[in-house]
Amino acid sequence: DVKVTQSSRYLVKRTGEKVFLECVQDMDHENMFWYRQDPGLGLRLIYFSYDVKMKEKGDIPEGYSVSREKKERFSLILESASTNQTSMYLCASSGGTGRAQPQHFGDGTRLSIL
Amino acid sequence: QQPVQSPQAVILREGEDAVINCSSSKALYSVHWYRQKHGEAPVFLMILLKGGEQKGHEKISASFNEKKQQSSLYLTASQLSYSGTYFCGTEGSGGSNYKLTFGKGTLLTVNP
Repeated sequence: DVKVTQSSRYLVKRTGEKVFLECVQDMDHENMFWYRQDPGLGLRLIYFSYDVKMKEKGDIPEGYSVSREKKERFSLILESASTNQTSMYLCASSGGTGRAQPQHFGDGTRLSIL
Repeated sequence: QQPVQSPQAVILREGEDAVINCSSSKALYSVHWYRQKHGEAPVFLMILLKGGEQKGHEKISASFNEKKQQSSLYLTASQLSYSGTYFCGTEGSGGSNYKLTFGKGTLLTVNP
C-alpha cells in the first residue's frame, strides 16, 4: 500500500511565523500535491509538483511556496503565516506520467495560526 | 472552476440506494471519486475516463456522460460503512496533466 506521511497531525503557530509542513511518500511517485480543506469548500489545490525541483501553482497559491529537493519529499511553506491560513492541509501523491492517476492522501495536518 | 456536486447531503437507512452527481462546465478527460470518513484521509474509489473506461477498487458503480460533462456515483444497498463525505475531482481535457479540481463534497449518512 502507498504510504503518504505528513510530519505533524496538529500544529499551532503564531501570526508572522514561517511555517513548514512536510510530506513524504514511499512509493517513488512522480507527482505530489498540497491541498487545503475548509468546511463547505472541499479540497482546493495550492501547489503540485510533477518532478524533483518542478512545481506548478494550483488554484490558491497566494501566501504559499513549495520545495521538492528529493522525489519522496514535498514541503509546503507559509512564508509569513496569517490567521486566514488556519485550515486542514492534505498532501497527496500519484504515480506515472500520464493522465488519470489515482491520488493517495496523507492523514492531514490541522494548522492553527494564532 | 470547481465542479458542482449534488445533493450536498443525504441521509439513508441501511439497504437504501443513493445517487451523487458531479457536473462540470468545462470539457473533461476524467472524473475521480473519493470518500473521506470523519477525521481520516480521503480514499480513492474510482476513475471514469472519457471514452467509457473505468478504473476502480470497490463495488460502487459510476457513470460519465461526456455530452453533459456529468458523472454520477451509484451507491446501492448501502451499508453503514458507506457513511462519509464523497468528493468528485475533475481533470480537464486541456491544460496540465495531474491536476484535479474537487467539488465541495456530499455528506452521506447511513443509519441502521
